[in-house]
Amino acid sequence: SQELEQSPQSLIVQEGKNLTINCTSSKTLYGLYWYKQKYGEGLIFLMMLQKGGEEKSHEKITAKLDEKKQQSSLHITASQPSHAGIYLCGADMEAGGTSYGKLTFGQGTILTVHP
Amino acid sequence: EAGVTQFPSHSVIEKGQTVTLRCDPISGHDNLYWYRRVMGKEIKFLLHFVKESKQDESGMPNNRFLAERTGGTYSTLKVQPAELEDSGVYFCASSQVPGYTEAFFGQGTRLTVV
Repeated sequence: SQELEQSPQSLIVQEGKNLTINCTSSKTLYGLYWYKQKYGEGLIFLMMLQKGGEEKSHEKITAKLDEKKQQSSLHITASQPSHAGIYLCGADMEAGGTSYGKLTFGQGTILTVHP
Repeated sequence: EAGVTQFPSHSVIEKGQTVTLRCDPISGHDNLYWYRRVMGKEIKFLLHFVKESKQDESGMPNNRFLAERTGGTYSTLKVQPAELEDSGVYFCASSQVPGYTEAFFGQGTRLTVV
């Protein structure tokens, strides 16, 4: 079984709709990173969350880390075709920052936004 | 400022051949990471360099994979001999500070072993 489970695996929405992607772990997350990837391109950093209950926003994207630090959600408001791509959550799964930046990733969520 | 650059972007080789992937991190980034994504699976960690030293190579699949980082600058990942299951996308990332900060990723090298 995977250490980080993302849901849904794929999502198709109409432009203007809101959507949420979840990332869940059975273990405590010591750092949670959201990345976006477009086909043939590298991973683009979106946000990093560390504290339980933390929430960050950038433009129309909001990410939260729950109080127990075992689940994160990424919410897109009023989606646009430019939001399409693969969203990946990555996490530092080791206590005390001892992973030195080594990330465990979820399998990704493929987002399609129809104009 | 140049980002993380990987060469080549695509490589198709025959089983048993050798392939060398290269990663140029962002200048000044001491930390360099290699990851791999095989078809249908999640991106998995391979190894981590701090300057020229291997900090963590726990994700390297087997001894057919050899990573080096000359002088703490660019890094190479050699696969010798390549097997079919080595096919996938190999990503490189670099960061100034290990953990708790953004890691910048390259565009990846798509390796196909036939």
